[in-house]
Amino acid sequence: DTEVTQTPKHLVMGMTNKKSLKCEQHMGHRAMYWYKQKAKKPPELMFVYSYEKLSINESVPSRFSPECPNSSLLNLHLHALQPEDSALYLCASSQDYNTEAFFGQGTRLTVV
Amino acid sequence: GQQVMQIPQYQHVQEGEDFTTYCNSSTTLSNIQWYKQRPGGHPVFLIQLVKSGEVKKQKRLTFQFGEAKKNSSLHITATQTTDVGTYFCAGPSLDAGKSTFGDGTTLTVKP
Repeated sequence: DTEVTQTPKHLVMGMTNKKSLKCEQHMGHRAMYWYKQKAKKPPELMFVYSYEKLSINESVPSRFSPECPNSSLLNLHLHALQPEDSALYLCASSQDYNTEAFFGQGTRLTVV
Repeated sequence: GQQVMQIPQYQHVQEGEDFTTYCNSSTTLSNIQWYKQRPGGHPVFLIQLVKSGEVKKQKRLTFQFGEAKKNSSLHITATQTTDVGTYFCAGPSLDAGKSTFGDGTTLTVKP
């Protein structure tokens, strides 16, 4: 199994809503990542978990809250988002930190 | 902080022509990865280079890592319409910093 699965694929939420993005991998990878990608831009790193511990937080606003319940799962909890947070949110995993990464299909988020 | 630049930003070619994208880092890299993202899709891992001067080939794609481990290139021979997409390089600094993506090169291929 070489897949990273993300749900949902699309999400529309209001600025007062709370929602969660989910990511799952069964490749035994020890590093998992959340990226944000705006149109025509490269993926922008948000968070890195290594061995289930948060190792990098790229000064992301607190309205984004990551969680790693176990080595296969990664969540991103969203609360009180702004319209400018609308983007493609990508989850990725790699065997070790900073090695080749496998990306999920992403969640296309629209904040209204 | 580390900066990774890619040129050109856009490349339009006729099918059958060759294509090259260049990646330059402001810092020495421990490795470099290349990804392809189709329109509306997600980045897909192509290859990782680790050694100074390394060259790897995948069918019509040739990847090089510079001797100083600060630059890299991807060359596609005889492009096909299936090569359309944005090609990103990404790599962490030797100080084990986070991996930074280049801005990407978007390739369009005219049949």
